[in-house]
Amino acid sequence: DAGVTQSPTHLIKTRGQQVTLRCSPKSGHDTVSWYQQALGQGPQFIFQYYEEEERQRGNFPDRFSGHQFPNYSSELNVNALLLGDSALYLCASSLTGSTDTQYFGPGTRLTVL
Amino acid sequence: LAKTTQPISMDSYEGQEVNITCSHNNIATNDYITWYQQFPSQGPRFIIQGYKTKVTNEVASLFIPADRKSSTLSLPRVSLSDTAVYYCLVGDSDNQGGKLIFGQGTELSVKP
Repeated sequence: DAGVTQSPTHLIKTRGQQVTLRCSPKSGHDTVSWYQQALGQGPQFIFQYYEEEERQRGNFPDRFSGHQFPNYSSELNVNALLLGDSALYLCASSLTGSTDTQYFGPGTRLTVL
Repeated sequence: LAKTTQPISMDSYEGQEVNITCSHNNIATNDYITWYQQFPSQGPRFIIQGYKTKVTNEVASLFIPADRKSSTLSLPRVSLSDTAVYYCLVGDSDNQGGKLIFGQGTELSVKP
């Protein structure tokens, strides 16, 4: 039973570029959440997708957008990258309606130069 | 969601029991308490969850007093591999699958 997977593991971009990160949820899960974790900080909630729609959103600008596919996998897109976007991006999956907790993937380390 | 407060760092030695206390004065009636562990450059990993009194699993114990305004994660006989950041979160049962609010966590360092 595969857990949450993310790709790529590492990514280097320059300011102004755009990036797409990918996540496959744990088998049986239908909800995907994305978090940004800056160095030395706890993860910060970006948004959550369920039934291919954004259900909740944290305090992040519109440069951050996402998508969920019919197979429940998800993408996080960030446009017009800033140096401050450098962080570990975490994907977490869960099953809506379940009291079970979220399961996190290993993350994608994004470096913006 | 209730705000949590926990120590920024703790030191311990191999074989000792470690207790990390989290304060959550504004916890709501429906809120559960959940602890996550995170190693560097990895995603947080669920450790334990509880609502009241005591919960124990193969990894840790969670003690919650009657007023539920705090909780204590207990790690028995820690080893070097328990060196990690530990996060205390509170949220209602529906929200366990929703937005999670992480604080800065407690950085536990286990020494030989």
